[in-house]
Amino acid sequence: ETGVTQTPRHLVMGMTNKKSLKCEQHLGHNAMYWYKQSAKKPLELMFVYSLEERVENNSVPSRFSPECPNSSHLFLHLHTLQPEDSALYLCASSQVVHNEQFFGPGTRLTVL
Amino acid sequence: AQSVTQLDSQVPVFEEAPVELRCNYSSSVSVYLFWYVQYPNQGLQLLLKYLSGSTLVESINGFEAEFNKSQTSFHLRKPSVHISDTAEYFCAVSVKTGGYQKVTFGTGTKLQVIP
Repeated sequence: ETGVTQTPRHLVMGMTNKKSLKCEQHLGHNAMYWYKQSAKKPLELMFVYSLEERVENNSVPSRFSPECPNSSHLFLHLHTLQPEDSALYLCASSQVVHNEQFFGPGTRLTVL
Repeated sequence: AQSVTQLDSQVPVFEEAPVELRCNYSSSVSVYLFWYVQYPNQGLQLLLKYLSGSTLVESINGFEAEFNKSQTSFHLRKPSVHISDTAEYFCAVSVKTGGYQKVTFGTGTKLQVIP
């Protein structure tokens, strides 16, 4: 595997389910990000981890819970989501001192 | 805080015609500038970037962008588009905040190449 991978690629869940999105980067980067991409809205930065420490949480509801166990892995734990949370969730990584982010293919989430 | 404006949400253009996708930004500090491309059902891919040096930057597939500090613009151009260029294009600005980069994306421009 190379680059940034995300699993699953598609996820359908009910509002009472608990699920997790996984992101893995094989680039040796030190920073990882979660973004939400909804139709007709700008890309929204949700969380930033730098050297495994959360450095930014952009007013994201508590039903989204990130976890970064090491510099290569990033998770987004989901529980009691709402239909408006349906979107494409993108993971990205970068070197701490560089400015170029590398994106994964995304997880298409549908909340019923 | 920085911001990015992409005024055109959609740009239709005939194959082999030239195209310009506009991007303007605002920031009180120095920025780095990027264009990303997103093909259907995929994540974003870096197309080109301006960090410093020459204000004209080029990609390997024929796109170019010019950093214009006085007009705070970073427009993307290609002299002759191909069907495969159909995608959504995002302009982004980046400032270094603490130990990581803070990137702000524009709302995107969908380029539709018409055969």
